[in-house]
Amino acid sequence: KAGVTQTPRYLIKTRGQQVTLSCSPISGHRSVSWYQQTPGQGLQFLFEYFSETQRNKGNFPGRFSGRQFSNSRSEMNVSTLELGDSALYLCASRRLAGEDTQYFGPGTRLTVL
Amino acid sequence: DQQVKQNSPSLSVQEGRISILNCDYTNSMFDYFLWYKKYPAEGPTFLISISSIKDKNEDGRFTVFLNKSAKHLSLHIVPSQPGDSAVYFCAATPGSARQLTFGSGTQLTVLP
Repeated sequence: KAGVTQTPRYLIKTRGQQVTLSCSPISGHRSVSWYQQTPGQGLQFLFEYFSETQRNKGNFPGRFSGRQFSNSRSEMNVSTLELGDSALYLCASRRLAGEDTQYFGPGTRLTVL
Repeated sequence: DQQVKQNSPSLSVQEGRISILNCDYTNSMFDYFLWYKKYPAEGPTFLISISSIKDKNEDGRFTVFLNKSAKHLSLHIVPSQPGDSAVYFCAATPGSARQLTFGSGTQLTVLP
């Protein structure tokens, strides 16, 4: 069974631009969560989608948004990029929203110049 | 306000010896705890978990201990191998929301 895939793997943007990241979950998984990893901060939860609905949201500004499509694929958008948005963005999927174990993709490394 | 803390950013251990990674939490609502391992350029991989109704869970060379009164958990790796060198994250989840809260990670280096 194929794992979680994320595209693109690397991205360089400049301040003020916007960016869209994509995540395809494991086949049959309907829940997709997004995390931001920065040095020293661990993984910080952004939001979770299940059946095209946002189920949970972390403590991030409104510049960070997401959506989920009917095939469970998810996109994350960051508008008006700031230097501090440079991070590894990880997507994780699980079969159901209530399951404990999540399976992570390799991440998208975003660099904001 | 970090609800899950890994106070040791790094740990070095000799091959064949025991590695002990520690994690503390503050939220008493957490009832399920997980450890993930992360290699560079890869996403975290699930390693082992423990429910709050248990105080120990083993899986091969990996054992997780939970001390609810101290709000502390630890991951023991015995014997440690060079391939275990990675960043280890502990995570916790409360109730039915099942939203993971992660610690900041510990870089384990196993020396040959």
